[in-house]
Amino acid sequence: EAAVTQSPRNKVAVTGGKVTLSCNQTNNHNNMYWYRQDTGHGLRLIHYSYGAGSTEKGDIPDGYKASRPSQENFSLILELATPSQTSVYFCASGGIKNSDYTFGSGTRLLVI
Amino acid sequence: AQRVTQVQPTGSSQWGEEVTLDCSYETSEYFYRIFWYRQLFSGEMVFLIYQPSFDTQNQRSGRYSVVFQKSFKSISLVISASQPEDSGTYFCALSELISGTYQRFGTGTKLQVVP
Repeated sequence: EAAVTQSPRNKVAVTGGKVTLSCNQTNNHNNMYWYRQDTGHGLRLIHYSYGAGSTEKGDIPDGYKASRPSQENFSLILELATPSQTSVYFCASGGIKNSDYTFGSGTRLLVI
Repeated sequence: AQRVTQVQPTGSSQWGEEVTLDCSYETSEYFYRIFWYRQLFSGEMVFLIYQPSFDTQNQRSGRYSVVFQKSFKSISLVISASQPEDSGTYFCALSELISGTYQRFGTGTKLQVVP
C-alpha cells in the first residue's frame, strides 16, 4: 500500500543541537512537502520539493533546511534547534490527481 | 498574511444533524482548488473533498458537500447526518495552480458530534 512514513515519531532534542526529520514515500509522487502544526496556526508550509535534487522555501523556512536526495526521501534539517521549533511536523507527498495529497503520521519534536 | 481563514475554532452537533463549517480565502488567481481534510485524534489527516475554482457546480462526495461562493471567496463544508465518528478537526486548504502545487491551510475547526 502506498504510504508516507515519517521517522522518528517522537524526538526530544537539546537547544543548539542538530535535528533531522526523515520522510519516505512509496506513492511515486514528484512533489513532497514539510509542514509544522501549532495550535492556533493550523499547518504551515516550511519547505517543498518538485523532485530529486530540488528544494523550495515555503512560508516559514527560517531555521530549517531541506534535502531531497531521491524521489522517495525528503528530509527536514534543523541545524541549531531552538525551543520555538517545538511542534508537530507533517510530511506529505502529492501527485497530479487532486485527491492524492497524502500525509505522514507526524513527528512530535520537543526542543528543551 | 493568512490566506485561508476558518473563524470557527470549535463546533458541535448532535447525531443526525447537518453540520456546516465555514472557510474563506484570499487569492488573485483564476485557477485554484479548495480542499477539505479531517484530522483524526491520532493526528492522521484524511482527505474529504475538493472544489476546483473553474467548476460552478458544488462538489459532493458521500455525506460531504460544499457550498462554493466564488465571488465572496468563501466555501463551506456541509456534513449531512452527522455521526460521532465525524468528530475531529476540519481543515480547508487552498492550492493556487500557477503559484505551485502546495496547499495552504486554515487554522481548523474542531468539531464534536454527540449522541
